[in-house]
Amino acid sequence: GNSVTQMEGPVTLSEEAFLTINCTYTATGYPSLFWYVQYPGEGLQLLLKATKADDKGSNKGFEATYRKETTSFHLEKGSVQVSDSAVYFCALHSGAGSYQLTFGKGTKLSVIP
Amino acid sequence: DTEVTQTPKHLVMGMTNKKSLKCEQHMGHRAMYWYKQKAKKPPELMFVYSYEKLSINESVPSRFSPECPNSSLLNLHLHALQPEDSALYLCASSHSAGRETQYFGPGTRLLVL
Repeated sequence: GNSVTQMEGPVTLSEEAFLTINCTYTATGYPSLFWYVQYPGEGLQLLLKATKADDKGSNKGFEATYRKETTSFHLEKGSVQVSDSAVYFCALHSGAGSYQLTFGKGTKLSVIP
Repeated sequence: DTEVTQTPKHLVMGMTNKKSLKCEQHMGHRAMYWYKQKAKKPPELMFVYSYEKLSINESVPSRFSPECPNSSLLNLHLHALQPEDSALYLCASSHSAGRETQYFGPGTRLLVL
């Protein structure tokens, strides 16, 4: 079956530090990959996505590249802000006919001034 | 516009009460979802509606009863809930139930006393 493994948190960084949150996956076929962000007390917001190998998703300074050879979709940001403090979920959708989004366990990021 | 709205934002109910959660989207999406999210966990899929028909019920207890009156609206009727049902209930929608991106609402935070 499908699975997503992301680095355990919490991750604490100083403002303007570089961020990497690792995400690897196991899936049959050619999944679509997503990063969602959940700010405290809120629902999930789509941060970025990639639908095929070598695609790079980007939004709000965050980037992730779909690497089929390493089955990875690591999230990066060059300079984090306090406002980036949230829980980040990596997820995959395995393809047509499947309704299921498979989520990782989530990584809590805290950015301190 | 990728907005999914949910009401109410917060709900407190006793174990003998009947209440309903409401979800609405006006993006023309034909697939709608209910998820349950416990603290510090990823969302868990409960139900999927595709073209206003129930497609997936992930073995959810009958005290949760979904309803899709039209393509824009999704309800979750609650009856005789247990304290362990306290959670954040998230609604999502997508263009169709395939590889499409799911967009989430802000959630209803439910407390069962």
